[in-house]
Amino acid sequence: KAGVTQTPRYLIKTRGQQVTLSCSPISGHRSVSWYQQTPGQGLQFLFEYFSETQRNKGNFPGRFSGRQFSNSRSEMNVSTLELGDSALYLCASSSRTGDVRTEAFFGQGTRLTVV
Amino acid sequence: DAKTTQPPSMDCAEGRAANLPCNHSTISGNEYVYWYRQIHSQGPQYIIHGLKNNETNEMASLIITEDRKSSTLILPHATLRDTAVYYCIVRGLYGGATNKLIFGTGTLLAVQP
Repeated sequence: KAGVTQTPRYLIKTRGQQVTLSCSPISGHRSVSWYQQTPGQGLQFLFEYFSETQRNKGNFPGRFSGRQFSNSRSEMNVSTLELGDSALYLCASSSRTGDVRTEAFFGQGTRLTVV
Repeated sequence: DAKTTQPPSMDCAEGRAANLPCNHSTISGNEYVYWYRQIHSQGPQYIIHGLKNNETNEMASLIITEDRKSSTLILPHATLRDTAVYYCIVRGLYGGATNKLIFGTGTLLAVQP
């Protein structure tokens, strides 16, 4: 079974631009969560989608948004990029939501560098 | 949210057992203990989880104390490839039915040859 796939793996963008990252969850998984990892703040939860609906959102500005498609693939978008948005963006997929017995599996991440 | 406390770093000799402790004294009765690890610049890898009984899988064993206030992740025969940051996470239903994971700073395990 294929794991979680994130594309692209690396990205360089200029301040003020916008960026879209993609995540394909494990086949059959319907929950996709996004995380941001920086050296200063560590791993922080961005948002979760399940059945095309946002279920929870972390403490990030509105420039960070996401969506999920009917095939469970998810995208996240960051508009008006700032230097501080440089980070490793990780996607995790789970078969269910709201079940604390269900593990989440992470992708390899997208490394975004804003210059 | 239940908080976890882990030592910032630990060393282990290759081939020996690595015992990684985690304190979670404020854990609630319905919260699970999860362990993930992250090898440099890769995505976190799920290791194991449990509620109150000891658990074992092909990667590791999880020992949870009877009062559930602490746990230990055991890698029985550490190899150099086990060098990583290990995260202990207490998982509950925060703000409703979600899969949100709250990561702390973890323990950097360095396996020495």
